[in-house]
Amino acid sequence: AQSVTQLGSHVSVSEGALVLLRCNYSSSVPPYLFWYVQYPNQGLQLLLKYTSAATLVKGINGFEAEFKKSETSFHLTKPSAHMSDAAEYFCAVSVSTGNQFYFGTGTSLTVIP
Amino acid sequence: DTGVSQDPRHKITKRGQNVTFRCDPISEHNRLYWYRQTLGQGPEFLTYFQNEAQLEKSRLLSDRFSAERPKGSFSTLEIQRTEQGDSAMYLCASSLGDTGNQPQHFGDGTRLSIL
Repeated sequence: AQSVTQLGSHVSVSEGALVLLRCNYSSSVPPYLFWYVQYPNQGLQLLLKYTSAATLVKGINGFEAEFKKSETSFHLTKPSAHMSDAAEYFCAVSVSTGNQFYFGTGTSLTVIP
Repeated sequence: DTGVSQDPRHKITKRGQNVTFRCDPISEHNRLYWYRQTLGQGPEFLTYFQNEAQLEKSRLLSDRFSAERPKGSFSTLEIQRTEQGDSAMYLCASSLGDTGNQPQHFGDGTRLSIL
């Protein structure tokens, strides 16, 4: 079975500061990993995905994530936070034979002006 | 690409009533998923379809829940005899392909409130 743990349900950063959102996964087979963003009263929008190619993955809006097998991690980063980045972020894991995504409980990002 | 569309966006009903939600996936996507999301939680898998076949259902999907995708296009999720605990956001997603490495594209959800 697969699972995801997102450390820190709430993260606050100043505008222009580094954003780091943590995701650790558990999977008995090679995983596929995804980060999604959710704005209030909206669905989830894909930020980026890791599907066994390059371990450093670049996504939309300046976000990137690095797959580290030894640490079973897939942390999301952005060098400089914008006010528009304030939202809920979800990490998800899947596998090649899987039929569903397993989501973490989410991290709410607040950007302080 | 018109995206995944869900209707209605909001539904308020009294306990014990039946409700039905509709999802229109991205047109060429063969997989369609239903998730439930409660406040402060990530989406929880309910069920998924490959074309018109419902291939997997979660233990979360009680007998009061039923989903269909009659022609492999749109899908409906029905909840019978609604309970307070059914209050949640119901999300639909679709994807293309047969493996788990394809990203799922989500609609904006239907928010259900049980009075």
